[in-house]
Amino acid sequence: DAKTTQPPSMDCAEGRAANLPCNHSTISGNEYVYWYRQIHSQGPQYIIHGLKNNETNEMASLIITEDRKSSTLILPHATLRDTAVYYCIVRVGDAGNNRKLIWGLGTSLAVNP
Amino acid sequence: GAGVSQSPRYKVAKRGQDVALRCDPISGHVSLFWYQQALGQGPEFLTYFQNEAQLDKSGLPSDRFFAERPEGSVSTLKIQRTQQEDSAVYLCASSLSYRVHSGNTIYFGEGSWLTVV
Repeated sequence: DAKTTQPPSMDCAEGRAANLPCNHSTISGNEYVYWYRQIHSQGPQYIIHGLKNNETNEMASLIITEDRKSSTLILPHATLRDTAVYYCIVRVGDAGNNRKLIWGLGTSLAVNP
Repeated sequence: GAGVSQSPRYKVAKRGQDVALRCDPISGHVSLFWYQQALGQGPEFLTYFQNEAQLDKSGLPSDRFFAERPEGSVSTLKIQRTQQEDSAVYLCASSLSYRVHSGNTIYFGEGSWLTVV
């Protein structure tokens, strides 16, 4: 399974965009990029996922580079409630082996007032 | 229920005691996962069910760990003769199907916090 690399921590001012990078240089063609976040003492919360194209939903935008070796999660207007650990995960998109999400240590994002 | 429900939320066990952790997935979800999360670490895969079939148990750390999902809905993770290194958060997750497509998101519960003393 491909692995991901994320900075251990980041800071962001409230109301500004938070851009969280992720490297996944060994990603395979059928592996999706998933983003989850985990607020202290809670279970992981799904944010967004993508394969090749950029994606946007009500929570965030996901920008995937053309070679798919890296991606960026964008929280357009960060709030204090966005303070959490953000995990970038690759997941095999094949029914035969899509069971596991391989998690790293994530990025601890602190949104400051 | 609306989400994945886990119980107990917190459990303190004496070393050597057996524990059972329960997971109620989202109704109708085919896939069910158990993960273990140590303090300061990301979740680590334990096991996976598709309906009642346990298709992958490669992440179970020892034969003291056992999981079941007999009727394809509720699942129980059992840990026998608990040891201090078993202290962790045990996360259950479910998804509608086993196929990865735009609707197949994996939803997590709040976790069961196990402390072995």
